[in-house]
Formats: sequence, structure tokens, C-alpha cells
Amino acid sequence: KQEVTQIPAALSVPEGENLVLNCSFTDSAIYNLQWFRQDPGKGLTSLLLIQSSQREQTSGRLNASLDKSSGRSTLYIAASQPGDSATYLCAVRRASGSARQLTFGSGTQLTVLP
Amino acid sequence: ETGVTQSPTHLIKTRGQQVTLRCSSQSGHNTVSWYQQALGQGPQFIFQYYREEENGRGNFPPRFSGLQFPNYSSELNVNALELDDSALYLCASSSPGPNANTGELFFGEGSRLTVL
Repeated sequence: KQEVTQIPAALSVPEGENLVLNCSFTDSAIYNLQWFRQDPGKGLTSLLLIQSSQREQTSGRLNASLDKSSGRSTLYIAASQPGDSATYLCAVRRASGSARQLTFGSGTQLTVLP
Repeated sequence: ETGVTQSPTHLIKTRGQQVTLRCSSQSGHNTVSWYQQALGQGPQFIFQYYREEENGRGNFPPRFSGLQFPNYSSELNVNALELDDSALYLCASSSPGPNANTGELFFGEGSRLTVL
């Protein structure tokens, strides 16, 4: 059974800092990994999607890496801003089966202080 | 291109009642999945529908059921509501087109269910 862990559970940083969020998963047989952002009481916004054959993806100030063999992914946020404050979730899709089922971590709650 | 829309946004029910939640998938997406997110937790997969048939299910009892319609919209039905069913219910859709193999899921804003 796939398990996804995100560390730390909460993080508070001053504006302008670069930061790294961590995600680990127990079964390396994944199809892809997706990072999401969730604002309080809201739905999920897709940030980055990394296919199992890829090592990293970049979008603006965000960079996500994937090391499938070690079961790890990181989300790097450069020059953090108060507007980045949210919960960040990572999710993996298994390699087998037709269902596009995602297994999520519990998230990292990020607060960027002005 | 319209995104994933869900209704209602909030609702309150009492234990034992039944509830129906609705989802309109993103334009052109024929695969819809539902997730339950308890407070402070990551979403948990309930089931997925493709071409009006359930083709994947998570660890949820049969009182959680669903439908998908020819226009790809979907419903989640929960019978005999329990207090632990209080959660945010999220619908996600994905594309069958040229980028189908990317498997990217797009989520709606969710329906917040409170069971008293």
C-alpha cells in the first residue's frame, strides 16, 4: 500500500526566503507525481506535474524534483512572498491500473511572514 | 475552457440522512474522480468514473455511490450519513485528449458537508 509523507507539517518563513518542501513515498512504482496548492477551505490548484521518467519540472518561482528510486520529491520555492501562504500537497499516481487514483500526503502548511 | 464546478458549496445534514453532491467536469474531460478530505488531512480517493462506469474504487463502504452522465457530469451519493462523513468532498477531472498520458488531474472547489 502506497504511503506518502510530507515533512515538515508546518513551516513559517520571512518573506524573500528560498525554501524546500519535502515529500516521500513508499512504493517507487509510480506513474507520476503532482504538487498542489490549497488555500483554506478551498479546492486544489495544480502546480507541477512530474512524469515518472522526468527528474524535474519548473514553473516560475517553483521547481519540483523527483528521485523515484529513493521515493522522494522536493518542491523548491524561490523568493517566497506572503501570497505563497497556503497548504502544499504532493500526490502520487500508481503505475498500474486504469484508475487515475492519487495517493496524497497530509500537506505542509506554509506561512510567509511580511 | 470552463473549469471543474461543484455544487452545493456547503450543506448541513443530520445523521442517517442522504446527500447528493454534483460535479461538472472541465470541458472535454471524460474521466471524473471523487475524493474525501477530512480536516487537516490529505484527500482520500473514493472512486472514479469513465464513460459512465465506475472503474476504480478506494476503501469506502457501498453507501458511497456515484453516477456519471453522458455529458460527463457526475454525482456522489452518500446514504445513512455518519458523523465521520463530515468533510470536504472534491471532484477531479482529467483529459482523454493528446495529453491523456500526462494524467494531470484538475480539481473543483469542493462541497463542504457537515453531519450533525
